[in-house]
Amino acid sequence: EAQVTQNPRYLITVTGKKLTVTCSQNMNHEYMSWYRQDPGLGLRQIYYSMNVEVTDKGDVPEGYKVSRKEKRNFPLILESPSPNQTSLYFCASTPRHNTGELFFGEGSRLTVL
Amino acid sequence: DAKTTQPPSMDCAEGRAANLPCNHSTISGNEYVYWYRQIHSQGPQYIIHGLKNNETNEMASLIITEDRKSSTLILPHATLRDTAVYYCIVNFNKFYFGSGTKLNVKP
Repeated sequence: EAQVTQNPRYLITVTGKKLTVTCSQNMNHEYMSWYRQDPGLGLRQIYYSMNVEVTDKGDVPEGYKVSRKEKRNFPLILESPSPNQTSLYFCASTPRHNTGELFFGEGSRLTVL
Repeated sequence: DAKTTQPPSMDCAEGRAANLPCNHSTISGNEYVYWYRQIHSQGPQYIIHGLKNNETNEMASLIITEDRKSSTLILPHATLRDTAVYYCIVNFNKFYFGSGTKLNVKP
């Protein structure tokens, strides 16, 4: 089954404790991206990647890192999480950056205390 | 990259057509218009996309004006399950979602 898989789905952590949210897609897509969603602010893009070893900042990259060492994986890294990073996070992928539908993961709800 | 403007909310009676407008006046010639919807806190779901011509699929129709500065998503017979937030986005390098339109389908 074609899908985008995120882990963990739910996480409660404390300020400053490094964490990684994994994202994996099995569709051989070139383009992958991360979004965060907060009440009243819609979906905001954090980082995106148009191919392996190619990443770029979205609209809200501060406090986040990403890597794209393999085509299928695009982990989101929070080196030192803070409470303002409490949010619902979505990973998405699409065959190419300028055409085709985005496939979304089920979301990861992160709470930073 | 072009951004979009959508009304924050709309109501529609069940069984009637829902027409959701989107303004994208700064769209470039090679940017597609995409529509997605999000039900509760699930991942957004693709609905339809187009470049210049009107498009139709099993979910909806997309009408794009001739100057491409605006578009309308049409759900021909809205059901309660169509209650969701609908996002209109234009894309080249980035998929910018914005806040969307909350469609409330009422019995």
